[in-house]
Amino acid sequence: GEQVEQRPPHLSVPEGDSAVIICTYTDSATAYFYWYKQEPGAGLQLLMSVFSNVDRKEEQGLTVLLNKKDKQLSLNLTAAHPGDSAVYFCAVSGGNNNNRIFFGDGTQLVVKP
Amino acid sequence: EAAVTQSPRNKVAVTGGKVTLSCNQTNNHNNMYWYRQDTGHGLRLIHYSYGAGSTEKGDIPDGYKASRPSQENFSLILELATPSQTSVYFCASGDAGGADSDYTFGSGTRLLVI
Repeated sequence: GEQVEQRPPHLSVPEGDSAVIICTYTDSATAYFYWYKQEPGAGLQLLMSVFSNVDRKEEQGLTVLLNKKDKQLSLNLTAAHPGDSAVYFCAVSGGNNNNRIFFGDGTQLVVKP
Repeated sequence: EAAVTQSPRNKVAVTGGKVTLSCNQTNNHNNMYWYRQDTGHGLRLIHYSYGAGSTEKGDIPDGYKASRPSQENFSLILELATPSQTSVYFCASGDAGGADSDYTFGSGTRLLVI
């Protein structure tokens, strides 16, 4: 089945710097891609979703890049601020296991003031 | 507002006891999911459902049962709770497919088995 690897597991950046999180997946039929944010004690909040016909999507300081050739998905937080500190998860779905969503193991991001 | 609501938010159970975690969604999604989240493991799928009356095993189903009596409700049942089932449990609803595919998560249930 689908395997999703996410890196790095921990990331610390100064305020104002960018933070990049990368995921790779294995199923070439995967069609939908997601980034979630989890704050302490809370559930997962959807940040952005991307369909496979999109290579780049930008919203509110976040940039998602999709490289289908290399089966790689990335999230770039430009000009990170302390409120961005959280755990971020990538997720994919719509491949050969059409009813399932597969998650990376998460990245703990700390943005230092 | 469409949402996924889990109950209880916190639960302490004794080893060998029965625990039922409840989930309700107002998204009208066909699919519902139960995950557990442990440090170092991310989210692991326990059971899921395609619709009322259906339950499917996920990646770590042992020790858990699930019940989907209606479109809106999906329960996770621990018949004989063990300390290894101490975790945070998340319910989600979603429908794969289409440009607006989305999965909505509940706020989680913290379970401590002593």
